[in-house]
Amino acid sequence: AQKVTQAQTEISVVEKEDVTLDCVYETRDTTYYLFWYKQPPSGELVFLIRRNSFDEQNEISGRYSWNFQKSTSSFNFTITASQVVDSAVYFCALSEAEGADGLTFGKGTHLIIQP
Amino acid sequence: DGGITQSPKYLFRKEGQNVTLSCEQNLNHDAMYWYRQDPGQGLRLIYYSQIVNDFQKGDIAEGYSVSREKKESFPLTVTSAQKNPTAFYLCASSISSGGYTEAFFGQGTRLTVV
Repeated sequence: AQKVTQAQTEISVVEKEDVTLDCVYETRDTTYYLFWYKQPPSGELVFLIRRNSFDEQNEISGRYSWNFQKSTSSFNFTITASQVVDSAVYFCALSEAEGADGLTFGKGTHLIIQP
Repeated sequence: DGGITQSPKYLFRKEGQNVTLSCEQNLNHDAMYWYRQDPGQGLRLIYYSQIVNDFQKGDIAEGYSVSREKKESFPLTVTSAQKNPTAFYLCASSISSGGYTEAFFGQGTRLTVV
């Protein structure tokens, strides 16, 4: 069975600090996909990134970066120079190769950026 | 604009009543999903559909029913058999059911039993 663990329930930092959100996953599949979604107060989940299990290259997009390490089954998300607009709940999710039955989500990390 | 529309945004239900949550998408996606979100919890899959006239139970399907008569529509009925229906419900779609495709989400319906 698949499982995604986000051990950090809530993180609070002051604006402009860097912050890392942890994600650890479990799967028996050799081919799988990892995702990060952002849920602002409006409720809608916004897609941020997808990674497949064969691509361990780290990715950077503006202030966002992702570190995928298969050796530790982790897919961590770092926000550099955080801003108040980054305040949201962030979910890490996993799907198997076939993916027909949707995503397995972690419980989310509530990120609070204080001005 | 293309997207997923859920309605209503807020819904109140008396105990013992069935209610139906609407989900419409104009993205021409084949796959659609219903998730339930409880405070401090991740999203849990209720039902999913890969194609029209076909749907499958997810992890927590008991007390819920769905239909997929049209590609664009995937309504969810919360029946009186659902013992604890108060939650936030999110509908999603993806271009296909392959695991590599990202899902797009609606803005959710918050259901409260009164």
